[in-house]
Amino acid sequence: AQRVTQPEKLLSVFKGAPVELKCNYSYSGSPELFWYVQYSRQRLQLLLRHISRESIKGFTADLNKGETSFHLKKPFAQEEDSAMYYCALETSGSRLTFGEGTQLTVNP
Amino acid sequence: GAVVSQHPSWVICKSGTSVKIECRSLDFQATTMFWYRQFPKQSLMLMATSNEGSKATYEQGVEKDKFLINHASLTLSTLTVTSAHPEDSSFYICSATGTTAGTQYFGPGTRLLVL
Repeated sequence: AQRVTQPEKLLSVFKGAPVELKCNYSYSGSPELFWYVQYSRQRLQLLLRHISRESIKGFTADLNKGETSFHLKKPFAQEEDSAMYYCALETSGSRLTFGEGTQLTVNP
Repeated sequence: GAVVSQHPSWVICKSGTSVKIECRSLDFQATTMFWYRQFPKQSLMLMATSNEGSKATYEQGVEKDKFLINHASLTLSTLTVTSAHPEDSSFYICSATGTTAGTQYFGPGTRLLVL
């Protein structure tokens, strides 16, 4: 069965510092991975997907099949990045399996 | 674009009653909608996949007779929690796939409290 693990429930950094949110997955098929973000009092929204290989709001994520990881990175964190971040794995029929989420707090 | 709404945003009901939650795609047609459940401080758990005009596909462990899903049109899916009990209290979230393959657009969620 597929599984997504986000080892850190809470992550706190200072503004301007680099940030990395970890995500590991287990899946027998070819993985399609996503990062979703939920800002305070807002709905869940897509941040980025690995297949696009894009940078959104300064965030990037690289799929490492050897390490089965899809860590989210940003070189200089901003206060507005404070949010809950979920890593998600897409399986058959576009179904998503979510990790438990990491609450990121960027301190001034 | 690609907005998904849910109604109601919160509901309180007595044990034994049924509650219907609506999920609408406002500006796009959604052939597939998904229903999730989220407990406090936990992740989203997929309950079922809803396809327009066909029966929903439920995840393992989800009672299909307890959680009735109807997807009657390309813009509306409903989740009915039948004979609700306090343990059904949770946050229910729907999502819909739009024109961009693999992208799910999420509703704001419905908080259900069963007394």
